[in-house]
Amino acid sequence: NAGVTQTPKFRVLKTGQSMTLLCAQDMNHEYMYWYRQDPGMGLRLIHYSVGEGTTAKGEVPDGYNVSRLKKQNFLLGLESAAPSQTSVYFCASSSFPSGATDTQYFGPGTRLTVL
Amino acid sequence: QQQVKQSPQSLIVQKGGIPIINCAYENTAFDYFPWYQQFPGKGPALLIAIRPDVSEKKEGRFTISFNKSAKQFSLHIMDSQPGDSATYFCAASRTGGTSYGKLTFGQGTILTVHP
Repeated sequence: NAGVTQTPKFRVLKTGQSMTLLCAQDMNHEYMYWYRQDPGMGLRLIHYSVGEGTTAKGEVPDGYNVSRLKKQNFLLGLESAAPSQTSVYFCASSSFPSGATDTQYFGPGTRLTVL
Repeated sequence: QQQVKQSPQSLIVQKGGIPIINCAYENTAFDYFPWYQQFPGKGPALLIAIRPDVSEKKEGRFTISFNKSAKQFSLHIMDSQPGDSATYFCAASRTGGTSYGKLTFGQGTILTVHP
């Protein structure tokens, strides 16, 4: 049981390049999330998904796109990277929030630098 | 708009001390308040959580105090150890509606416990 895994762990891009970050979970969770973490800003929600084939915008969605074609995978895309997207990106997953336990399980993160 | 404000930004204590981290929220619809712990190079992990029907929750050396009228909650770490050195995030969410499961995080507190 690997939990939540993220690929790649590190990446350096030039301004204008594109890339896709992959998140995979083996806990059969319905909900998946993408966050970015910047110093002094905490974690901010980029996009999230409440089930296979569905996605929704979070707090800071501009410049990012997502897809959830399979329940276990959640992809985050940057079509034209900008230096402002330099950050650490975390994926998380959770079971359907029940009011009893709403734990989000986080992956190890992807450190992205845009030059 | 930062709906959850966390303080202090950093905190240094000696082993055995009782660090206290505070959070204040604005949205009165929030009804789930977790604390996440993050070690360097790792993703955040749930530490302890509380719902507003109780004013205090203890799990081992970690205690959440909750003040609904003041819209504030805090994390206390009893008998702190060097292994508790990490970044701590408070968060809040509401169970229900279109915001179901979406966490709003505080800015984070870097805790250092000296031996």
